[in-house]
Order: sequence, then structure tokens, then C-alpha cells
Amino acid sequence: SQELEQSPQSLIVQEGKNLTINCTSSKTLYGLYWYKQKYGEGLIFLMMLQKGGEEKSHEKITAKLDEKKQQSSLHITASQPSHAGIYLCGADGPRNAGNNRKLIWGLGTSLAVNP
Amino acid sequence: GAGVSQSPRYKVTKRGQDVTLRCDPISSHATLYWYQQALGQGPEFLTYFNYEAQPDKSGLPSDRFSAERPEGSISTLTIQRTEQRDSAMYRCASSLFGTLQETQYFGPGTRLLVL
Repeated sequence: SQELEQSPQSLIVQEGKNLTINCTSSKTLYGLYWYKQKYGEGLIFLMMLQKGGEEKSHEKITAKLDEKKQQSSLHITASQPSHAGIYLCGADGPRNAGNNRKLIWGLGTSLAVNP
Repeated sequence: GAGVSQSPRYKVTKRGQDVTLRCDPISSHATLYWYQQALGQGPEFLTYFNYEAQPDKSGLPSDRFSAERPEGSISTLTIQRTEQRDSAMYRCASSLFGTLQETQYFGPGTRLLVL
């Protein structure tokens, strides 16, 4: 079965520093999702990547999917306290008979940003 | 509604009691998913609905767990004879059609604590 491995498990950075979170799959990724989770709130959709080599940016967050479609990275530039939270990567699981899918998840990366 | 809502946000119950959790998806969305998220883990798939049909129950951990979506909109997840190991965050998500590579939008979750 497909598994997603995230690294690092946790990260503490000083405000203003750049950081990168990685998500590695045991199989080819056909849809890779990045979500952010804050305590007491729902999962917040950040970005979806589908094509090898694809890169998307939103504000100071950039996500990339490598050419082989087995690894994605999430890069935050000039981090701020508002970036703190748990970042989860998810990927499409196997197709089922109804052409629907389940999301397979990594365990998350906990990010703290010190002011 | 504008987003996915869940109620209650927090539930504390005694072992052996039944609990029912509610999810109100985005109104135009056909597909609704239930996930269970233990502390420090990623969300684990439980079940999903296409309108009122429930094609996949494979993630339900035991027959104490059941879900309904009788009119294809609001869904309930019921856990009978709760056990301490059922303590987790229960997340509901919805998507427009539930097709592959489609984004799922998550509610804030219900945190369940079984004493």
C-alpha cells in the first residue's frame, strides 16, 4: 500500500527564516495535497499538485512536485508566527469501484515560529 | 452553507455510552467523507457517501461505528458502546463530485474524549 513520509516531524524556526518540509511517497503520486492544521480549527487547504515538475505559490508558501512525482516539498519564505501549525501532505489513494478516492496522509510536520 | 460545519466541537462521554456526531457539508457537494484522527497522527479514512449512498465502509474500525446520510446532505456518525480507544478528533470533509484528484474541504472536527 502507498505510504507518505513527512520530514521533519517538527521544526522550530526564528521569525524571518526560510524553511522546507518534505513529503515522500512510496509510489508515484497522482495528486498531492498540502493542508495546514491549527489547533481548534479545521484542515485548511493550501495547494494541490498534479504534474511532474509542477510548482505553485501562495503568498510566501511554495510547493513543488518533483519530476518523478514521488516527492513534494513545501517551502516557506520569511516565516511569520502566523505560519505556525501542523502541515499535512495527502495523496490520492487507490481508485475504488465508484471512481472515488480516499486521501492517504502523512503524519504531519509541526512548525513553531519564534518571534 | 459556506463551509463544512461539525457539531458538537467537543464531546466528553463515559465508556459504554453512545455518541452521535454531526456533519453539515458544503451545500453543493455530493460527496462527504468521515475521518478519524488520533493525537499526533494523520487523518484515517472511515467511510464516505455519494449523496445518500455509502459505497465504502472499509475504514470503520468495528461494527460499533455507523454513519448515515439519509437525504444526501447532513451526515451523522454514531459510535455505540464507546471505548477509550475511540477518543480522537473526528473530521468530516466534502467535495463536489468525489472524483479522483478533487479537493476535499474539511470541517473543524469534533474532539471526542471517552473516559
